[in-house]
Amino acid sequence: DAKTTQPPSMDCAEGRAANLPCNHSTISGNEYVYWYRQIHSQGPQYIIHGLKNNETNEMASLIITEDRKSSTLILPHATLRDTAVYYCIVRVADNYGQNFVFGPGTRLSVLP
Amino acid sequence: DTAVSQTPKYLVTQMGNDKSIKCEQNLGHDTMYWYKQDSKKFLKIMFSYNNKELIINETVPNRFSPKSPDKAHLNLHINSLELGDSAVYFCASSHPSGTDTQYFGPGTRLTVL
Repeated sequence: DAKTTQPPSMDCAEGRAANLPCNHSTISGNEYVYWYRQIHSQGPQYIIHGLKNNETNEMASLIITEDRKSSTLILPHATLRDTAVYYCIVRVADNYGQNFVFGPGTRLSVLP
Repeated sequence: DTAVSQTPKYLVTQMGNDKSIKCEQNLGHDTMYWYKQDSKKFLKIMFSYNNKELIINETVPNRFSPKSPDKAHLNLHINSLELGDSAVYFCASSHPSGTDTQYFGPGTRLTVL
């Protein structure tokens, strides 16, 4: 079972920031938070990951609360092409014996 | 210069047949995976191979047999196909560089009639 909970769906206006929340209240100290997304009919795509510090890359920002029990993925200027299912996953890095467990994710619809 | 490729993209076959799906990655990764995404869109891992050795084998029927001829390839062979095998199958790979991020192929949509 997934160790994260996410809202099933969200809408965002084009050009605005999309803030996708994720709860992971049982996260362990050595587990990272990963975000992936799946655009319709395509393979999942890596977005970003972090352990405890906030992270930013060319795609998004990841804000992790101080207690690490929740995080928020921020797409600063959402476009129509960001419409996808977004998955939040917690996992120990480089642990071949531990799966990436994908939950149902959040279906983000970016509206014109 | 596709990173993770799968063939075929679509596969339609009759119940009881045997079929294979091929996966190749040109990223130099050590670990490869097979995932199944069913009609409810849940993405579940089936197998994981690291350096050609099986690491993860989830509760998958033994009709499914992965084969890794080398680190760049992980093929999935399915015997005696059943209706419930209809799904999209994704191959992925990762490198133990400290990030362990996975790169997915485009998927193979299998339809069993």
